[in-house]
Amino acid sequence: GAGVSQSPSNKVTEKGKDVELRCDPISGHTALYWYRQSLGQGLEFLIYFQGNSAPDKSGLPSDRFSAERTGGSVSTLTIQRTQQEDSAVYLCASSLGDRETQKLFFGSGTQLSVL
Amino acid sequence: QQQVKQSPQSLIVQKGGISIINCAYENTAFDYFPWYQQFPGKGPALLIAIRPDVSEKKEGRFTISFNKSAKQFSLHIMDSQPGDSATYFCAARRRGTASKLTFGTGTRLQVTL
Repeated sequence: GAGVSQSPSNKVTEKGKDVELRCDPISGHTALYWYRQSLGQGLEFLIYFQGNSAPDKSGLPSDRFSAERTGGSVSTLTIQRTQQEDSAVYLCASSLGDRETQKLFFGSGTQLSVL
Repeated sequence: QQQVKQSPQSLIVQKGGISIINCAYENTAFDYFPWYQQFPGKGPALLIAIRPDVSEKKEGRFTISFNKSAKQFSLHIMDSQPGDSATYFCAARRRGTASKLTFGTGTRLQVTL
């Protein structure tokens, strides 16, 4: 596709339920990032995938959060036993992955609302 | 700990005026400083970026000024237009961490007619 695609665009769930958020990066981009944007806050780094390397999970806020990237392309962010504080926009971004090319291309995000 | 502090939180500028947004950082290991522009309902998009070996970078109406000794950098939008109305985020990257960016809290810019 022409850009980073995220689905769903909106997700409303009940507290305690699990949710899965999907990201399709730009074709050929080897690096994929997940960020979280809470109301009135900046973007918060969650996790980073680069090629076949082990992901950098240092930004995941708790063990309820996990992500995987299959075949070096599509990524899924899973939040288990959702809490109200998980409500935010979850943004996925991809880049060429070259050390000197840091331009991130963001998707439009998934707005998650936990009731 | 807020490693990148951004101000103001919101800004109203008349069309044709200069918009100025400021950021300050603490970590001297930061080596790349981008600015992202975000319109409602969209993801952020890279606007302009600078490295600490230069003091200024200009692209069209957008200029980054960088003061390494003060650990501050700012975005100047010249001849601001209503189409510039958006939220602007400064960010910083620690050396060797790819694009694992630390973002400021954002500035909501409104350009009035």
